[in-house]
Amino acid sequence: KAGVTQTPRYLIKTRGQQVTLSCSPISGHRSVSWYQQTPGQGLQFLFEYFSETQRNKGNFPGRFSGRQFSNSRSEMNVSTLELGDSALYLCASSLAGTGRSYGYTFGSGTRLTVV
Amino acid sequence: AQKVTQAQTEISVVEKEDVTLDCVYETRDTTYYLFWYKQPPSGELVFLIRRNSFDEQNEISGRYSWNFQKSTSSFNFTITASQVVDSAVYFCALLINTGTASKLTFGTGTRLQVTL
Repeated sequence: KAGVTQTPRYLIKTRGQQVTLSCSPISGHRSVSWYQQTPGQGLQFLFEYFSETQRNKGNFPGRFSGRQFSNSRSEMNVSTLELGDSALYLCASSLAGTGRSYGYTFGSGTRLTVV
Repeated sequence: AQKVTQAQTEISVVEKEDVTLDCVYETRDTTYYLFWYKQPPSGELVFLIRRNSFDEQNEISGRYSWNFQKSTSSFNFTITASQVVDSAVYFCALLINTGTASKLTFGTGTRLQVTL
């Protein structure tokens, strides 16, 4: 059974550019969440999607956006990149709608470096 | 608001020693879930265990055991006879049941270094 797949694994972007990260959840999982991990702020929730609808959003500026497709794959986009956006971006999928009864399975992440 | 505190930033042990990772959580909700995740250098968060707020039964799984105590809001994790492969960062996380939406609130993590 394939796990959660995140692409690309590494990215280097310049300030001001925009970037799109992709996440393919485990087959059958309809809930996808995104988290940002930095040394200073730790693991912070970005947003959660279920059946193509954003159901929850963390405290991040509007430059951070996402979407989910009908096949449950999700993308997140960061526009006008800042140096502080350098982080490991982790995607998690869950079988249940809220994940409350099941564990979350995380991907290996996309490491974004903004220069 | 929810909060998870992992007071131990880094722990170093010699292989075969037992080690306990502490986790204290804060929430006003009566229904919640607690998780432990392991993050090796590769970056992936590996799910270890989930407990709901109504299940205080502690469990042993191989070399791992968990101690959940609602009275002290603690959810501690013990590795018995540690091995070098256990070296990683361990995160405790809290999930509140909001009915339709969810998010994990993570602690700051405890880096475990197991040496020979």
